[in-house]
Amino acid sequence: QKEVEQNSGPLSVPEGAIASLNCTYSDRVSQSFFWYRQYSGKSPELIMSIYSNGDKEDGRFTAQLNKASQYVSLLIRDSQPSDSATYLCAVKRGGGADGLTFGKGTHLIIQP
Amino acid sequence: GAVVSQHPSWVICKSGTSVKIECRSLDFQATTMFWYRQFPKQSLMLMATSNEGSKATYEQGVEKDKFLINHASLTLSTLTVTSAHPEDSSFYICSARPRTSSSYNEQFFGPGTRLTVL
Repeated sequence: QKEVEQNSGPLSVPEGAIASLNCTYSDRVSQSFFWYRQYSGKSPELIMSIYSNGDKEDGRFTAQLNKASQYVSLLIRDSQPSDSATYLCAVKRGGGADGLTFGKGTHLIIQP
Repeated sequence: GAVVSQHPSWVICKSGTSVKIECRSLDFQATTMFWYRQFPKQSLMLMATSNEGSKATYEQGVEKDKFLINHASLTLSTLTVTSAHPEDSSFYICSARPRTSSSYNEQFFGPGTRLTVL
C-alpha cells in the first residue's frame, strides 16, 4: 500500500516568516516527488518537483528530499497571505507512467 | 504552455443517468492522461490511467464498467460515469503528461469537474 503522510494542520505562520511543510512516504522505491498547491474548490497547481537528494530552490520555494529517511519538505520564505492554501505532497514510483499518490495535504494559513 | 481543460466545470444529474466529462490538453500532446477523484476534505485519489489508443488501467476498487474511459486522441480523454448515484458525487480532476517533456514525470491538472448526483 503506497502511503503519503502529511500533518493536516492548520499551520499558522505570520506574514514574512518561513513556512515549513513536511511529508513522509512509505514506498521506498519512489523516485519522483512533487508539491502542489490547492485553493479551495480548485484543482492542484504544481509548485515544485524534486528527484534527487538535497535541496532545490525556485524563487521563494525550496524543496528538500531525503530518500534514506523517506522525507520530503517544502519551505516557503517571506510568506504572503496569498500563500494561504492546502499544500499537497505527491509521490510517483520510478519508471512507466504511474499516476501520483497524494497526501491529504497541509492547510497553511498566513496571518497578515 | 501545458494547459489542460475540462468540460463541463460542474454538472448536476439525476440518479441513474450517465455523465460524460471531457479532458483536453490544449497546447501539447499527451500520451498519458490520469483521472482522479477528490471527496470533500480528502486528498486526490487516482482512479485510472489512460493511454492513447489502448484500454485504461484502473486502480484497485474502481469499477471499470461504471467509470468508462476513452482516450481517442493525443489531446482528448473522456470519463463517463454510468448509472450515477449520489455517492458518486465528487470533484473529478484529470491530468496530462506531455509527450515530450524536459521534466518527464510532471503532470498538469485540469480545473476539475464537480459532479452532483441527486
